[in-house]
Amino acid sequence: DSGVTQTPKHLITATGQRVTLRCSPRSGDLSVYWYQQSLDQGLQFLIQYYNGEERAKGNILERFSAQQFPDLHSELNLSSLELGDSALYFCASSPRQGFSGNTIYFGEGSWLTVV
Amino acid sequence: QQQVKQSPQSLIVQKGGISIINCAYENTAFDYFPWYQQFPGKGPALLIAIRPDVSEKKEGRFTISFNKSAKQFSLHIMDSQPGDSATYFCAASLGSTLGRLYFGRGTQLTVWP
Repeated sequence: DSGVTQTPKHLITATGQRVTLRCSPRSGDLSVYWYQQSLDQGLQFLIQYYNGEERAKGNILERFSAQQFPDLHSELNLSSLELGDSALYFCASSPRQGFSGNTIYFGEGSWLTVV
Repeated sequence: QQQVKQSPQSLIVQKGGISIINCAYENTAFDYFPWYQQFPGKGPALLIAIRPDVSEKKEGRFTISFNKSAKQFSLHIMDSQPGDSATYFCAASLGSTLGRLYFGRGTQLTVWP
């Protein structure tokens, strides 16, 4: 158990809908990362937050947004969903935002199926 | 553009054998190279990592070999066991932005008894 908690584990929704994925980082971790895993693209970095502020942005669509709250949990919002958004979404956390012995811990993911 | 290229896509090894997975990268600014192990239904878990100032790092049965001039690195699993059957991902990042990992496409390893 990595200590990173993601909910829901599975989600089925229709095209055009909006969903919110939630992540609780490991206790004490200030950085939260979101990744998307799909057969087409593999594991792709979406976005990083550190202590409530956006720190890095990757291949995140404009229809997607994220935030990190004062209690450090994070939410990934996916809107106007398309079939191609079906994927496994991972949240990860780490104590800091840079290296210096930092380690990233992944949650077990949220399976999103868009029908 | 795939920043990290990984091969093979799948690998079948006999128990006790050596599993070798290779990765290549383009960005010479990368300075952190981790390997992740993923079991079905689980998230990736850090297995072992290396920085480019060393050519080899060993932890138990797992060894990373790093060739900076060739921009290649590989994972060797000695005495492979059925419990090692999983998907392995190589990755790379800039140390200053550790969380932004560029992953290879993964290698599905099957170790048969």
